[in-house]
Amino acid sequence: QVQLVQSGAEVKKPGASVKVSCKASGYTFTGYYMHWVRQAPGQGLEWMGRINPNSGGTNYAQKFQGRVTMTRDTSISTAYMELSRLRSDDTAVYYCARDMPGATGMDYWGQGTLVTVSS
Amino acid sequence: DIQMTQSPSSLSASVGDRVTITCQASQDISNYLNWYQQKPGKAPKLLIYDASNLETGVPSRFSGSGSGTDFTFTISSLQPEDIATYYCQQYDNLPAFGGGTKVEIK
Repeated sequence: QVQLVQSGAEVKKPGASVKVSCKASGYTFTGYYMHWVRQAPGQGLEWMGRINPNSGGTNYAQKFQGRVTMTRDTSISTAYMELSRLRSDDTAVYYCARDMPGATGMDYWGQGTLVTVSS
Repeated sequence: DIQMTQSPSSLSASVGDRVTITCQASQDISNYLNWYQQKPGKAPKLLIYDASNLETGVPSRFSGSGSGTDFTFTISSLQPEDIATYYCQQYDNLPAFGGGTKVEIK
């Protein structure tokens, strides 16, 4: 069965960087885009970007351009999202989500990783 | 960027009621519109993809319709377990989510 398992919660200081991992299993990792979506406390869902695990090609939301880097390691079927120059308003739960085959939804999601930015 | 306007932002309905949520895109997105359910502390769950297709395992009381810029999500008979926040999401080029609709029981 398809599973996306994310790394654990992080606490960071303003100005630092955080790297969240998403380990995929149960399907061909290189076959489907992986998205990153975040949710600040009490707020809605915000799309951050996506990576093509096959080519490594990325697309980022304009809001995060220059601060976010998405990478992958195909040998261990893991996607990464690194966010730099953290601010307090980056405090959020970060999710990875798989692109649905042959359609436009995101059909499998990781459990989420809470990133807290606090001095 | 394509903007998604979802309404209402919250609603209260009785068990058994028909519930309708709308989502409007700032430009034509064909049928590239999905609906998700999110319960507190949980990851979103895909319910409807490509405007009107029910994801496997999702109860048939959930449905979606629309194309172009105007879309509708319906729960035909609200159940207590449907209490959640619902989001639309477009995927015409790059994804974007609507603001969400919190559904409560009256």
